[in-house]
Amino acid sequence: NAGVMQNPRHLVRRRGQEARLRCSPMKGHSHVYWYRQLPEEGLKFMVYLQKENIIDESGMPKERFSAEFPKEGPSILRIQQVVRGDSAAYFCASSPRQGEWYGYTFGSGTRLTVV
Amino acid sequence: GDSVTQMEGPVTLSEEAFLTINCTYTATGYPSLFWYVQYPGEGLQLLLKATKADDKGSNKGFEATYRKETTSFHLEKGSVQVSDSAVYFCALIKAAGNKLTFGGGTRVLVKP
Repeated sequence: NAGVMQNPRHLVRRRGQEARLRCSPMKGHSHVYWYRQLPEEGLKFMVYLQKENIIDESGMPKERFSAEFPKEGPSILRIQQVVRGDSAAYFCASSPRQGEWYGYTFGSGTRLTVV
Repeated sequence: GDSVTQMEGPVTLSEEAFLTINCTYTATGYPSLFWYVQYPGEGLQLLLKATKADDKGSNKGFEATYRKETTSFHLEKGSVQVSDSAVYFCALIKAAGNKLTFGGGTRVLVKP
């Protein structure tokens, strides 16, 4: 019974490159949430998606960041033209249904380093 | 907007000492409250939760009581172990909400 799977665990990108972070939710979960943890800070909500829909992207930076959760396959968080300030840990969580926060499960995160 | 404030760390303790991490929140309505733990290099694990006033969440010797009158959810453990060394996050979610609001985290280091 696999949990939330994120890959890669560690990602190094040069400034200006693209970063793609993947998240496979728990089996039976159709709701995905992305959070960002800057060094020495707490987690900040970025975006909430259901299959093929973005429900709430109030925490997403206006430029360079995008997220999708296609009908088939994992959710993808995409960062274009990365800058040093994008270096952070990115966590994905999933839940079975909207509002069922008690089923909220986090992955182990992707640690992005921009050099 | 909603916010969570927790004491800054690091908190350094000796094994078997008593641990308290303060957490206060600001939110409208009646949020649910959580403590998450993050071990080095890992993701967040739910430690305990409380959904209404005066509820006490407990797990692995840790406890926290939802105090609406003081808008607090302080984490306590009576006798810590080296294995409790981690970062602890207090968080809330609004009723029927979808996103967690986290505090800044408190790093705890337990020395043998």
